[in-house]
Amino acid sequence: NAGVMQNPRHLVRRRGQEARLRCSPMKGHSHVYWYRQLPEEGLKFMVYLQKENIIDESGMPKERFSAEFPKEGPSILRIQQVVRGDSAAYFCASGNYNEQFFGPGTRLTVL
Amino acid sequence: DAKTTQPPSMDCAEGRAANLPCNHSTISGNEYVYWYRQIHSQGPQYIIHGLKNNETNEMASLIITEDRKSSTLILPHATLRDTAVYYCIPYNQGGKLIFGQGTELSVKP
Repeated sequence: NAGVMQNPRHLVRRRGQEARLRCSPMKGHSHVYWYRQLPEEGLKFMVYLQKENIIDESGMPKERFSAEFPKEGPSILRIQQVVRGDSAAYFCASGNYNEQFFGPGTRLTVL
Repeated sequence: DAKTTQPPSMDCAEGRAANLPCNHSTISGNEYVYWYRQIHSQGPQYIIHGLKNNETNEMASLIITEDRKSSTLILPHATLRDTAVYYCIPYNQGGKLIFGQGTELSVKP
């Protein structure tokens, strides 16, 4: 049973470009969570999605960030017009109710 | 959301038990105590969770005090690969995990 998959593992973008981070949950999991870890800081919750629904987006920055979890395919975290402050590790977790299993993360570097 | 207090760092000799304490005095009745660890910027790894009874699995044991205001994670025979940051998280199942600063455990030969 494959674990949570994230791709790409490393992503380099120039300021102003768009970044798309993908997360494929574990088989049978219908909940996806995104977390961000800025350099030398702790993990912060961003958004919680179930299939086709955003359940909690209280940790999402108000502008430039969006997330989706379509009926088919992976969950996508999209960052428009990236800035240097967006450089971080972005982790996705999946679960059903009582556990969250994390993927290896996507390390975004904004030049 | 309940706040937690953990020592920022601890050392443990390889092969000895590592006992990691956590204070969560404001935990609510429906919150479980979850423990995760993060090994050098990898994705966090689930370790164990409990509500009020002590729990044990292949990785660790969890001791929760009767008043549920604190808990201790026990790694019975620590190895060098257990060096990581350990997070104690009161968790309302189905919601978001709130990570504190955690305890940086260093297992030394």
